[in-house]
Parts: sequence; C-alpha cells; structure tokens
Amino acid sequence: RKEVEQDPGPFNVPEGATVAFNCTYSNSASQSFFWYRQDCRKEPKLLMSVYSSGNEDGRFTAQLNRASQYISLLIRDSKLSDSATYLCVVAGGGADGLTFGKGTHLIIQP
Amino acid sequence: EAEVAQSPRYKITEKSQAVAFWCDPISGHATLYWYRQILGQGPELLVQFQDESVVDDSQLPKDRFSAERLKGVDSTLKIQPAELGDSAMYLCASRSGYNEQFFGPGTRLTVL
Repeated sequence: RKEVEQDPGPFNVPEGATVAFNCTYSNSASQSFFWYRQDCRKEPKLLMSVYSSGNEDGRFTAQLNRASQYISLLIRDSKLSDSATYLCVVAGGGADGLTFGKGTHLIIQP
Repeated sequence: EAEVAQSPRYKITEKSQAVAFWCDPISGHATLYWYRQILGQGPELLVQFQDESVVDDSQLPKDRFSAERLKGVDSTLKIQPAELGDSAMYLCASRSGYNEQFFGPGTRLTVL
C-alpha cells in the first residue's frame, strides 16, 4: 500500500466550476500535511498547509480528517491558471522529509 | 527573493557514465534534501542533511549514489555508474527550522 494515495486524474473542469481533490495517507503518526502545486516541468511549490480545523486561502480550502487519514482540497471559481498537478504531501511520523502522492492532474477548460 | 540554485538544469549521459549534480540552498538554511521525481510520480526523498551531517539516507541506492555537504552549505549528488532507470528529475530543497521546504528548479537527467 502506498503511503500517500491520490487519484491521478486528469480532472477536466470548466472555468468557474468548483473542483475537489482527495488523498489518503497510511502513516497514522504523520504530523504535518500540505498541498503542493507543480506546473509542467517545474519544481513543486507550497500551495497551503492543512490543519485539522480546516483552513482557507482565497478560493482554496483544505481539510484534514485524522481519524480517516484523509486530506482534501477544494478550489472554487476555478481559473485557467489553476491548471497544474496538485500533490498531496505528508511529513513527520518518524521521517523529516516530505512524502508525496503521485499528484492529481487538473485541466481547467475555457 | 532568495532561491535554491541547482546545476546543471539538464544532463544527458550514457549508461555506465558518472554524473554529478550541484545544489546551493537558500542562505542560512541548515536542512537540505535531495529528491528524485520520475515522470508521472511524486518526488521521493533520497537523502537529508542537517548542516554537514546525513540525517536520513535510507532511500539512497548506496551502491551507485553518493551525496555530500562537506561545509554544510552547498551539496553534490553523484551517480556512478548511471543506469537507464536513473532518468528522472533530481530536486534539491532546503528549509530553515520547521518552516516551508523550498525547492530548486531541478536537474533533468536523461540516461541513454
């Protein structure tokens, strides 16, 4: 079983729509959770951290369910510039490096 | 804005040759990571340094890969000999304390 699992997509979504991604993680001792964004042939960049209480940054909302070991990302009013791969990331639980999922590929269509 | 520097950006080599990648972290960042990202996958941690010391190299294929950070600043990752399966993006990241990891632009390696 992979440590972090995501649906690779692609998700083809019309501009302006709301889209949600999920991921699950296997290490119950994980302590930190993130969503990273990666554009084609570029390095990953931190989109937002994820907290148990849920957190919002503009059009982006992230939530964490520790009991189910489940992380979500919601994008509202999607823009063409949101097209990218979204990587679910966990850290801690005995390891300091980041553990990445394979990523979910999002394509926003005009 | 300070950035993680990596070179070369692209490297093409033949199998059995030796290759080396260089990373210069953001100034003052004590923690440095090397990741490998195969096309279609997420990055996977190869090695982590705290200053000049290796903290975690459990996923580094030590028969052919080596990494060093002699003065606790810049770092070099070496592969000898390179194999076809080593074709990937090699990403360096650095961090200060428990803050965000910042990634460099990566070195894209193609082994022929």
